[in-house]
Amino acid sequence: NAGVTQTPKFQVLKTGQSMTLQCAQDMNHEYMSWYRQDPGMGLRLIHYSVGAGITDQGEVPNGYNVSRSTTEDFPLRLLSAAPSQTSVYFCASSLLYGTGGTGELFFGEGSRLTVL
Amino acid sequence: AQKITQTQPGMFVQEKEAVTLDCTYDTSDPSYGLFWYKQPSSGEMIFLIYQGSYDQQNATEGRYSLNFQKARKSANLVISASQLGDSAMYFCAMREDAASGGSYIPTFGRGTSLIVHP
Repeated sequence: NAGVTQTPKFQVLKTGQSMTLQCAQDMNHEYMSWYRQDPGMGLRLIHYSVGAGITDQGEVPNGYNVSRSTTEDFPLRLLSAAPSQTSVYFCASSLLYGTGGTGELFFGEGSRLTVL
Repeated sequence: AQKITQTQPGMFVQEKEAVTLDCTYDTSDPSYGLFWYKQPSSGEMIFLIYQGSYDQQNATEGRYSLNFQKARKSANLVISASQLGDSAMYFCAMREDAASGGSYIPTFGRGTSLIVHP
């Protein structure tokens, strides 16, 4: 089982560049999300989706864009990278509670992004 | 206000001893779920244990148990017989249920770093 596949694992950008972090899951999960992890801040939610065609903002959405055209894929786009977006990014998915799961999150391996 | 509070930035424990990692939460929803995840130095996030708000018994998974005190809104993780491989960051998280008005979006605490000494 592939689970949640997240690419790339490492990326260095210059300020102002754009890029897309890819996330795919093969578990037919309705819920997908992107978190960023910064030292001492835990995991902060950027954007999430509860199904194809449905996305919503989390706690720290500014500077990021998402789309959910299929159940499997949930890419995260950085529109114009800034040094403040230097972070480790995690994609995570789960069944929605009440549809057969507890809401346990399955995580990708993480993507370390550095913006110079 | 934070919904999940982990007050211990760092903890140390001797190998083979037990350790408790604290987690308190804030919700007015009657239906919610509590989770603990482990993040070793390699960076991946690993699910450890789950407790539902209506579960009568404390959850256990091998050496992990969740000390659930509903009235105090605490969900402490107990690791028995610590091993060197338990050295990691530990995150507590809560899911509030949509059916009871919650957002069903998991919220994470800031984590506790556990170091196990030989």
